[in-house]
Amino acid sequence: DIVMTQSPDSLAVSLGERATINCKSSLSVLYNSNNKNYLAWYQQKPGQPPKLLIYWASTRESGVPDRFSGSGSGTDFTLTISSLQAADVAVYYCQQYYSPPYTFGQGTKLEIK
Amino acid sequence: QVILQESGPGLVTPSGTLSLTCAVSGDSITTPHWWTWVRQPPGQGLEWIGEIYHSGTTNYSPSLKSRVTISVDKSNNQLSLKLNSVTAADTAVYYCGREVDMGDGTVGIDCWGQGTLVIVSS
Repeated sequence: DIVMTQSPDSLAVSLGERATINCKSSLSVLYNSNNKNYLAWYQQKPGQPPKLLIYWASTRESGVPDRFSGSGSGTDFTLTISSLQAADVAVYYCQQYYSPPYTFGQGTKLEIK
Repeated sequence: QVILQESGPGLVTPSGTLSLTCAVSGDSITTPHWWTWVRQPPGQGLEWIGEIYHSGTTNYSPSLKSRVTISVDKSNNQLSLKLNSVTAADTAVYYCGREVDMGDGTVGIDCWGQGTLVIVSS
């Protein structure tokens, strides 16, 4: 199995400031055949199912605000929220779609400072 | 709008079988998507259980493979999850979902059910 490790486990950021969450995979999730990283990011608010934010490491899902961005390649990835809003308080997960089982990171809890 | 709705017993006795159904509306289960089950123990993270294509092809998490079966019912447009020999460690919210393919393979779960809590207890 590919192990996904997120850091930090929790994060407190002031409103309007930048939030950065990291995700590291134990194996590369880059397909050389199409040069795409099979890495997705989700947001989960309390009592709700996760919501897909980003796929292919950096492609925003339709309707996701542009303050959310993803970057990275191979084994190291980052989710950035450029200007934190109150609505962004949630737990964020990365997930690899390179090979089954499609493992998740342990999650990063994002709060307001 | 695609809606997924999980249903099934909220309480299962230890050593018994957990059985859940996911009704799909707004999309056909025979469209070119994989359909998946994910679970989340209370207060913990997400665990991918497995996936199925409408052809019946499945992929399972190795940690659960010996106990899990995912199937599709095309006539009722739904998928099912069976997990046998359950223990308290299987207590979780169980989600069904649709995996999206952007033309270059599956890239994520774009539609989720609301989830159903299953407690394993005597």
